[in-house]
Amino acid sequence: DIQMIQSPSSVSASVGDRVTITCRASQGISFYLVWYQQKPGQAPSLLMYDASRLQSGVPSRFSGSGSGTDFTLTISGLQPEDFATYFCLQRNSFPLTFGQGTRLEIK
Amino acid sequence: EVQLLESGGGLVQPGGSLRLSCAASGVTLNTYAISWVRQTPGRALEWVSGITGSTTYYADSIKGRFTMSRDTSKNSVNLEMTALRVEDTAVYYCAASTTALGLLNYWGQGTLITVSS
Repeated sequence: DIQMIQSPSSVSASVGDRVTITCRASQGISFYLVWYQQKPGQAPSLLMYDASRLQSGVPSRFSGSGSGTDFTLTISGLQPEDFATYFCLQRNSFPLTFGQGTRLEIK
Repeated sequence: EVQLLESGGGLVQPGGSLRLSCAASGVTLNTYAISWVRQTPGRALEWVSGITGSTTYYADSIKGRFTMSRDTSKNSVNLEMTALRVEDTAVYYCAASTTALGLLNYWGQGTLITVSS
């Protein structure tokens, strides 16, 4: 199975900051990397797919990059509603596998 | 809008069985790729199983114990869970995609399964 390692596991930031979360795959997954956002008490929601494609309705302050084994999710100009947990998921091969999550907290 | 509703969760003893169902309103689930994703008490997400068309896929941790299937008469998807273990304790989400199993656009609210003696 492909392992997905996210870092950091948690990060504190302030409104307006820029934050970057990384996800590393244990083997190449091309660009088949998906990002989900989960707010407390809610199911995850699709944020970005295929490394850099923004899901419809997601603000443009979210961006993604990467291919192969290394990927990043960047949030530029943090807003209060962005404080949540972020998970990456590889969809290159079965079984699909998630990263362990990055909790973004308010400083 | 796609709405998914899971049912069938609860408390079960180790070694026991449960069946989860995921029902949809407003759409025909046959046209969607469906995944079951669970979230452990530690908040980790684990993809459990998926069905696209009639082909199913499973995580190694549940292979041979869980079976996913469609029930077209009820516009639902089921997850038959047997030989349950304490480590299967989690909130189980049903999630749907119009394109591929990993692109989960729509999620249910989740149902809790607790495996404990």
